[in-house]
Amino acid sequence: EAQVTQNPRYLITVTGKKLTVTCSQNMNHEYMSWYRQDPGLGLRQIYYSMNVEATDKGDVPEGYKVSRKEKRNFPLILESPSPNQTSLYFCASSMYHQETQYFGPGTRLLVL
Amino acid sequence: AQTVTQSQPEMSVQEAETVTLSCTYDTSESNYYLFWYKQPPSRQMILVIRQEAYKQQNATENRFSVNFQKAAKSFSLKISDSQLGDTAMYFCAFILLYGGATNKLIFGTGTLLAVQP
Repeated sequence: EAQVTQNPRYLITVTGKKLTVTCSQNMNHEYMSWYRQDPGLGLRQIYYSMNVEATDKGDVPEGYKVSRKEKRNFPLILESPSPNQTSLYFCASSMYHQETQYFGPGTRLLVL
Repeated sequence: AQTVTQSQPEMSVQEAETVTLSCTYDTSESNYYLFWYKQPPSRQMILVIRQEAYKQQNATENRFSVNFQKAAKSFSLKISDSQLGDTAMYFCAFILLYGGATNKLIFGTGTLLAVQP
């Protein structure tokens, strides 16, 4: 089944404790993105990747890092989480940059 | 700046009736794709329908159709024969074709639709 998976689905952590949210797709897509969803703001792009070893900032990259060492994986790293990073996070992938993006199930993060 | 406006934060419709969700967007570019995504209580983002801006014909997918007015920068979603499973948050979004390969979907703030039995 073609899909985007994310882990964990739910995470509660404390300020400053490094965490990684994994994302994997099995559709051989070139492009992958991370978004965060906050009430009243819709979804906003954090980072995106055009291919292996090619990443760039989206609209809200502060406090986040990403890497793309393999085509299928695109982890999101919060090296020192803060409460303002409490949000719902989505990973998405598409074959080309303008094509339909397929979303993972989301990761709900609470930073205390 | 590119923006999407969904002016109806919440809507309600009776089962089997028709409802239209509004969306307007702003961009100075002329080549883009438009999307409606559905987010049910499970929080999964599900593609409902896609419209290429160069196509004049409105897209349809079963009970879902759009009214795309490029000059007015309007992209409304019509849901016919509403079903209880249509209860969800609906997001309007677009992506530029030639604004660099940013892969960035620009989203509105969503319309929460409740289908009443």
